[in-house]
Amino acid sequence: AQSVTQLDSQVPVFEEAPVELRCNYSSSVSVYLFWYVQYPNQGLQLLLKYLSGSTLVESINGFEAEFNKSQTSFHLRKPSVHISDTAEYFCAVSDRAGNNRKLIWGLGTSLGVNP
Amino acid sequence: EPEVTQTPSHQVTQMGQEVILRCVPISNHLYFYWYRQILGQKVEFLVSFYNNEISEKSEIFDDQFSVERPDGSNFTLKIRSTKLEDSAMYFCASSDSRQVDEQYFGPGTRLTVT
Repeated sequence: AQSVTQLDSQVPVFEEAPVELRCNYSSSVSVYLFWYVQYPNQGLQLLLKYLSGSTLVESINGFEAEFNKSQTSFHLRKPSVHISDTAEYFCAVSDRAGNNRKLIWGLGTSLGVNP
Repeated sequence: EPEVTQTPSHQVTQMGQEVILRCVPISNHLYFYWYRQILGQKVEFLVSFYNNEISEKSEIFDDQFSVERPDGSNFTLKIRSTKLEDSAMYFCASSDSRQVDEQYFGPGTRLTVT
């Protein structure tokens, strides 16, 4: 079984500041890792994913996440946030070897960007 | 850009009533999912569906729940006799390949059981 822990429920930052949203997972098997974002009154959107290869993955809007197997982490970072990044961010994992790709989720981190 | 749609956006029902939540997945997708999020809690997997049958279901998905793909475009979640604890946001998702692992989510239906 897998579990996901997002250590911060809320992260307030000022515009143009760097941010890191933390995610740790627990699993007895190899997993795929995901970050989803939910903007106010919208659905869940895939932000980025780690399936294999380079442990550093990037999104088109400047976010990046690094898979660290030894620390079982997949922290999300952005060097300079915008007000439009204000949203709920969810970390999730799925079992690589499973027949289904059900996602196991963290509790979410609410990122609030202030001017 | 194709998207997953869900109706209604908000459903209020009385305890014991049946509800049907509707989803229209992306048209060429083959794998379908329902998740739910009770307020203040984690998003939880309910069920996955492929080739017109359930491929996996969670412990939450008991006999009160059922899913159906009635007409090749809709994907529905039925709760036969709602309980107060069924109040949650229900998300539908679809994907086109088990390998890609990219699930596309709808905006959700907020179910309130009174």
